[in-house]
Amino acid sequence: KNEVEQSPQNLTAQEGEFITINCSYSVGISALHWLQQHPGGGIVSLFMLSSGKKKHGRLIATINIQEKHSSLHITASHPRDSAVYICAVRSGTDKLIFGTGTRLQVFP
Amino acid sequence: EPEVTQTPSHQVTQMGQEVILRCVPISNHLYFYWYRQILGQKVEFLVSFYNNEISEKSEIFDDQFSVERPDGSNFTLKIRSTKLEDSAMYFCASRGGMTDGYTFGSGTRLTVV
Repeated sequence: KNEVEQSPQNLTAQEGEFITINCSYSVGISALHWLQQHPGGGIVSLFMLSSGKKKHGRLIATINIQEKHSSLHITASHPRDSAVYICAVRSGTDKLIFGTGTRLQVFP
Repeated sequence: EPEVTQTPSHQVTQMGQEVILRCVPISNHLYFYWYRQILGQKVEFLVSFYNNEISEKSEIFDDQFSVERPDGSNFTLKIRSTKLEDSAMYFCASRGGMTDGYTFGSGTRLTVV
């Protein structure tokens, strides 16, 4: 069983829609990261969370430690948001354990 | 904004050859990592490095792999005798402290033929 599960695996949306990507994990964590991977392959860090909620522009990330669940929301989605969004957790040691990612396509 | 720089962006090598993937982490960062992503799969941890020594390594990081920080700026991953299954995107990452976020490089796509 994967330690980090994401849903959905694939997501399509129309420009302007509100998007939610979910992440569940089965291990104790010290931090959870949301990352963005563009078609060229590069990875960009979006958020690091250990509790509560963070907001950056149109992106909002929340975490519920008791339920071992995090969500990434994108408000007013835009075609440039099209990418793979990856949830990763740091558990005990210094390494990140990655989810399989959610592929988002936003159409004009 | 400071960047983690990886070179080359793409390397093709013959099976059995040695390859060295290079990374220049952000200058004041203390923790360094290599991850890899086989095409179509999730990103996997290879190794972490702190204070000039390996702090943790995965099962993937066998005797064929080694890391070095030879000159205080570069951080290299060497694969001694490449196999077809080493074909992947290799990412270097660094961070300043244990409570900081990670900065990833843009990756090196390694193709073993």
